[in-house]
Amino acid sequence: AQSVTQPDIHITVSEGASLELRCNYSYGATPYLFWYVQSPGQGLQLLLKYFSGDTLVQGIKGFEAEFKRSQSSFNLRKPSVHWSDAAEYFCAVGGATSGTYKYIFGTGTRLKVLA
Amino acid sequence: NAGVTQTPKFQVLKTGQSMTLQCAQDMNHEYMSWYRQDPGMGLRLIHYSVGAGITDQGEVPNGYNVSRSTTEDFPLRLLSAAPSQTSVYFCASSYSRGAHEQYFGPGTRLTVT
Repeated sequence: AQSVTQPDIHITVSEGASLELRCNYSYGATPYLFWYVQSPGQGLQLLLKYFSGDTLVQGIKGFEAEFKRSQSSFNLRKPSVHWSDAAEYFCAVGGATSGTYKYIFGTGTRLKVLA
Repeated sequence: NAGVTQTPKFQVLKTGQSMTLQCAQDMNHEYMSWYRQDPGMGLRLIHYSVGAGITDQGEVPNGYNVSRSTTEDFPLRLLSAAPSQTSVYFCASSYSRGAHEQYFGPGTRLTVT
């Protein structure tokens, strides 16, 4: 069955530190992969997406993610976190298998940034 | 462009009441969907539509109805509200049901007492 796992429910980092949020997926075909960010009281906003090609993708706000097929992972990274990055982050997988299209969200990772 | 708009932003209902959550988009997107967001459960798909006149059930459709009479609007109806429907509801739209990002509305926080 298709699934998306974000193993870390909460992560706390200091401002200026590097960040990596983990995302693992289970999918029957080559997936389309997304990372979204949700600020408090807001809807979700796309950070970046991977469809094909270069496995390292750049997004907005200085974020990047790397697709690793062998590990079924699509981890989100940022070299230096800013206080404004405090939010909830969702990994999502989309695609069609056996004629059925699915778009699945992970349960989210809440990021706290210490000043 | 306003993007995806949702009304109301907040709503309190009593058990058994019905109501409609409104969603509209001005991007001429064919695909629209409704999600509910509950703590620790991510976003779960309630209903979706691939175009005007076409709707289908998602993962958690019970207790909800939808219709899509125009490309722009995709209202979600709660038939008889229950406390289990207390949640934050998001409407989203996309160019297609395929490999495209979804654009989200700001959400409706619903409390059923």
